Amino acid sequence: QKEVEQNSGPLSVPEGAIASLNCTYSDRGSQSFFWYRQYSGKSPELIMSIYSNGDKEDGRFTAQLNKASQYVSLLIRDSQPSDSATYLCAVNMKTSYDKVIFGPGTSLSVIP
Amino acid sequence: DTGVSQDPRHKITKRGQNVTFRCDPISEHNRLYWYRQTLGQGPEFLTYFQNEAQLEKSRLLSDRFSAERPKGSFSTLEIQRTEQGDSAMYLCASRGPRDTTTGYTFGSGTRLTVV
Repeated sequence: QKEVEQNSGPLSVPEGAIASLNCTYSDRGSQSFFWYRQYSGKSPELIMSIYSNGDKEDGRFTAQLNKASQYVSLLIRDSQPSDSATYLCAVNMKTSYDKVIFGPGTSLSVIP
Repeated sequence: DTGVSQDPRHKITKRGQNVTFRCDPISEHNRLYWYRQTLGQGPEFLTYFQNEAQLEKSRLLSDRFSAERPKGSFSTLEIQRTEQGDSAMYLCASRGPRDTTTGYTFGSGTRLTVV
């Protein structure tokens, strides 16, 4: 089992819809979880972090964490064409010294 | 200080040549990370520094790769005898000293092409 897994996509949603991105991780002791957005040819940009079970909202973004299921998700409401990018799930593994492990990313395309 | 700075932005080199990349982290960040990213993949961990100490190095990293952070400020990543498989984006990231609950700040990356 890979340490962090995501659906590779591509995921296509119409403008204004909700985009739902999912991630699972292997290390049950992990404490910190992050979502990064990466535009083509650019470096990743941190958009959300979450540490406690439940939901965390920031503008149009909502991160959801379920540690018992080892599952993290990102919802993007009112999706815009500018949201078209690759979304990377990242986990600070308890088993590692102090590094974040990234998933392969999910490519999102928002269709006008 | 405007963020994490990487130099050069692009590097084209011939197979077998050595290359060196530089990363300047955010000044108050004592933790520095190098990652490598190939097309369609997430960033892959290479190595981690806390101040000047290299605390972890990926087992995937061959002996051709070496990294330094001599004074706990900037860092360099050297690849010796480059191979075509080394072609990738090399990303540097940093974060502050407190805990693991803060995400990384990435630099713009160095795109390496080995021909």
